[in-house]
Amino acid sequence: IAGITQAPTSQILAAGRRMTLRCTQDMRHNAMYWYRQDLGLGLRLIHYSNTAGTTGKGEVPDGYSVSRANTDDFPLTLASAVPSQTSVYFCASSDSPGANVLTFGAGSRLTVL
Amino acid sequence: QQQVKQSPQSLIVQKGGISIINCAYENTAFDYFPWYQQFPGKGPALLIAIRPDVSEKKEGRFTISFNKSAKQFSLHIMDSQPGDSATYFCAARMGNQFYFGTGTSLTVIP
Repeated sequence: IAGITQAPTSQILAAGRRMTLRCTQDMRHNAMYWYRQDLGLGLRLIHYSNTAGTTGKGEVPDGYSVSRANTDDFPLTLASAVPSQTSVYFCASSDSPGANVLTFGAGSRLTVL
Repeated sequence: QQQVKQSPQSLIVQKGGISIINCAYENTAFDYFPWYQQFPGKGPALLIAIRPDVSEKKEGRFTISFNKSAKQFSLHIMDSQPGDSATYFCAARMGNQFYFGTGTSLTVIP
């Protein structure tokens, strides 16, 4: 089934540790995005990539980094996790930047203690 | 600062009733207004969307009403069903970025 695969599904992490959330899509979409979802705050864009080899900052990029080495993969890295990064993280993609439809993955729930 | 304001935060509706969720924005550069539906443990999925040159769009039991002058848009779910119980997000697009509302948790009671 075509779509977005995120891993891990859930993770508990000690503060200060490094963590990479993985995202892979098989739809050959050019644009990919990382959002975090927090109760009362909705979905907020962390970083995005319009095409392989390029990345950009969203609304809440601090403490996060991304890379886009190829079309399919868009990992999100927390270099030194802090408790405020406890959230549910969603990867999304669209066939072109700003296209009408975002396709989301099932999410990765991250708890930083 | 929230670019798109959404209300209510939660909503309980009887089966067969009408569910109404409201959103408001300030930035006139927004050019596309989708609604996403999210079930527990799943990612959001596009439900219905509207462009600002249209005042209403209907797809089955779901209708978006759009008031450009008031910078407001709303989702109406007619004949609400227990299967509609989910979290709903409005959003607005500017350039290649979407800005989401804070979400509304809808519960439809049988």
